[in-house]
Amino acid sequence: EIVLTQSPGTLSLFPGERATLSCRASQRVSSSYLAWYQQKPGQAPRLLIYGASRRATGIPDRFSGSGSGTDFTLTITRLEPEDFAVYYCQQYGRPLFTFGPGTKVDIK
Amino acid sequence: QVQLQESGPGLLKPSQTLSLTCTVSGDSISTGGYFWTWIRQHPGKGLEWLGYIDYSGNTYYNPSLRSRVNISVDTSKNQFSLKLTSVTAADTAVYYCARGWLQFFYFDYWGQGTLVTVSS
Repeated sequence: EIVLTQSPGTLSLFPGERATLSCRASQRVSSSYLAWYQQKPGQAPRLLIYGASRRATGIPDRFSGSGSGTDFTLTITRLEPEDFAVYYCQQYGRPLFTFGPGTKVDIK
Repeated sequence: QVQLQESGPGLLKPSQTLSLTCTVSGDSISTGGYFWTWIRQHPGKGLEWLGYIDYSGNTYYNPSLRSRVNISVDTSKNQFSLKLTSVTAADTAVYYCARGWLQFFYFDYWGQGTLVTVSS
């Protein structure tokens, strides 16, 4: 089983600042099978990025994904008030999906 | 617009079987290239994938739960279902159904989630 570790656990930033979230895998992950989600309290997760760097439909271009192998990054260039949430990375390694524990981005 | 809606009992006793149904609208559950999945989230915790069924009816389950999980589909109702046997308090969670895309193995549409509590 591939274990995903996310850092930091919590990121406290001001609106307008840049957020850099890390996702590290215990084994190599195919870039095609790495995704990022945003979750707000009481809501289901929302797909942001798939294939490590492809933005999902309707996702603003301030969200970007990068990385390969075992190290992946989600970047939010300028935080908007609605971006304060928990972010999860997810990978697929046949036959199992796993999620990271999440990074909470909160308002400083 | 694809929409998914979970339904089922919210309260179970230990040893009972959890049964949830996900009703899909805006897409056919038989559409090629997609799979239909269940994911849960323990209170205040992260996400755990339970299993999926693809458009051909093939099923894949999380090895940690394989002996207790079953996912099936009813194409006539455009629904898919989850059964989890012998539940304990550790199965208390919000259960989500979702659609996934087989090419990149991500989840693009999610239901709102339903809380299932296991308590005697």
